[in-house]
Amino acid sequence: AQKVTQAQTEISVVEKEDVTLDCVYETRDTTYYLFWYKQPPSGELVFLIRRNSFDEQNEISGRYSWNFQKSTSSFNFTITASQVVDSAVYFCALSDRNSGYSTLTFGKGTMLLVSP
Amino acid sequence: NAGVTQTPKFRVLKTGQSMTLLCAQDMNHEYMYWYRQDPGMGLRLIHYSVGEGTTAKGEVPDGYNVSRLKKQNFLLGLESAAPSQTSVYFCASSWQGNQETQYFGPGTRLLVL
Repeated sequence: AQKVTQAQTEISVVEKEDVTLDCVYETRDTTYYLFWYKQPPSGELVFLIRRNSFDEQNEISGRYSWNFQKSTSSFNFTITASQVVDSAVYFCALSDRNSGYSTLTFGKGTMLLVSP
Repeated sequence: NAGVTQTPKFRVLKTGQSMTLLCAQDMNHEYMYWYRQDPGMGLRLIHYSVGEGTTAKGEVPDGYNVSRLKKQNFLLGLESAAPSQTSVYFCASSWQGNQETQYFGPGTRLLVL
């Protein structure tokens, strides 16, 4: 069965520090997709990125970057020069078709607190 | 487009009461999903639907029923609410041609006393 582990329950940093959120996944499928979502204090889920299992290129979007390594089944997320507005819960998720249809399995989330 | 909407936004129930949560999407998506989010647990799939008139169980289906009578709506029912069903409920939808990417609603907070 698929599984997503976010070992860091909570991280506290001071503004302008860099921070990396870890995500390790398990799946039997050779084709799968990985996601990161942000959940700010307002509660909605904000889509950040989707990456398929055949694309191991790292991606950068502004202050955000993602490091996908199939060899270690990891999809880590780094925020450079963190800001207070980055304070949120971040979820890593895995989508595969183990059951025939695509379903999302979420990690338990990492709460990031950025203080001024 | 409104995307995915959920009704109501917040509700308080007494143990044993019933209620229905409504999810609506205007993107003509074939697939729809209901999740619950509990502190420290992430989101867990309750039920999902791959088309009008079809539903399937997810990871935590007990105590819930669902119906998909219209393509744009996915209803989640609690026949006899229990305090363990206090949670935030999220609905999502996805297109058949890109089913992996789900679009989420704003959530419904449910408190069962």
